[in-house]
Amino acid sequence: AQSVAQPEDQVNVAEGNPLTVKCTYSVSGNPYLFWYVQYPNRGLQFLLKYITGDNLVKGSYGFEAEFNKSQTSFHLKKPSALVSDSALYFCAVRENSGYALNFGKGTSLLVTP
Amino acid sequence: DGGITQSPKYLFRKEGQNVTLSCEQNLNHDAMYWYRQDPGQGLRLIYYSQIVNDFQKGDIAEGYSVSREKKESFPLTVTSAQKNPTAFYLCASSMYRTGGNEAFFGQGTRLTVV
Repeated sequence: AQSVAQPEDQVNVAEGNPLTVKCTYSVSGNPYLFWYVQYPNRGLQFLLKYITGDNLVKGSYGFEAEFNKSQTSFHLKKPSALVSDSALYFCAVRENSGYALNFGKGTSLLVTP
Repeated sequence: DGGITQSPKYLFRKEGQNVTLSCEQNLNHDAMYWYRQDPGQGLRLIYYSQIVNDFQKGDIAEGYSVSREKKESFPLTVTSAQKNPTAFYLCASSMYRTGGNEAFFGQGTRLTVV
């Protein structure tokens, strides 16, 4: 069975500082990993994904994520946070032979001026 | 514009009523999904469909029903059997149901029982 854990309910960071939102996963085969962002009362927007290859994946709005197979992690990062990055972030996984995406519970990111 | 359209944005249901949430996509995607979002619980899968006239139960299908008569449409009916239907409902689609294909989401429908 596939599952995702986001250990932090909320992350606070000052504008201009680097940010990290953590995600760990559990699958029985090779994982496909995704990050999404959600603004209040809106749908989810796709940020980036890992399929295979380079462990550092670059995505939209300056976000990147690092795949670490030995630690089964896929942490989302950004070198310099913006106030407009404040939102709810979801990590998701799909097994190689799986069907729908399995989402974590989400991490609320608050960037303060 | 290509995308996924959910309607209505807000929906109010009386106790004992069935209501249907609409989801339409013009992305020519094969797979479609319905998720339910509750605060602090992330997204939970209700139903998914890989092709027309085929759909499968997800993790929390009880009290819900779907149909897939057309490739672009995947309506969700919340029946009176659903004990706690108040939630934010999200429809999504992807090119295929497996592999590294990301899902694209609609803007959601917020259902409230009154």
